[in-house]
Amino acid sequence: KNEVEQSPQNLTAQEGEFITINCSYSVGISALHWLQQHPGGGIVSLFMLSSGKKKHGRLIATINIQEKHSSLHITASHPRDSAVYICAVKGTSGSRLTFGEGTQLTVNP
Amino acid sequence: KAGVTQTPRYLIKTRGQQVTLSCSPISGHRSVSWYQQTPGQGLQFLFEYFSETQRNKGNFPGRFSGRQFSNSRSEMNVSTLELGDSALYLCASSPVLAGGADTQYFGPGTRLTVL
Repeated sequence: KNEVEQSPQNLTAQEGEFITINCSYSVGISALHWLQQHPGGGIVSLFMLSSGKKKHGRLIATINIQEKHSSLHITASHPRDSAVYICAVKGTSGSRLTFGEGTQLTVNP
Repeated sequence: KAGVTQTPRYLIKTRGQQVTLSCSPISGHRSVSWYQQTPGQGLQFLFEYFSETQRNKGNFPGRFSGRQFSNSRSEMNVSTLELGDSALYLCASSPVLAGGADTQYFGPGTRLTVL
């Protein structure tokens, strides 16, 4: 079992839909990151969370430390949101990040 | 500020050769982390440097090494290349130790193909 698991692996939505991507982890963490990777490889850090909820534009990220679970929500999805979304956790000792396998999101117009 | 730059962007090598990849962090950032991304294994942590010292290392063989210079620029080296080393190699910089209280800023990556 991977330390970080994401669901779903693939997600297809129509423009305007509300999207949720989930991340579960099995280790103690000090922070959780949500990353976005577009075709061609470029990665952008969307959020870093250690508790609660963060919002940036149409993106919302939440984390429940007790349940070891985080969600990334996209409201009013748009085709430009099409990308791979990756969850990564930082453990309580050391600084390395452990990554989920990613969720491929496709938003159709 | 200029973003994280990586050179070269694309590289083709043959088995047994060695390769050196370069990463220039954002000005003022002292932490540089390296990651390998493959279709089979996804993103995996290679190592992290802070102030010219390796602070963390992932589970990779000794053929993978790196260093950081006084200007925070970092290089990683892979010796005796194997087919399985074909991957996208990403570096990321942050002002403090990566994965801590600060966001990491990723470079565009170097795509290495080993024939």
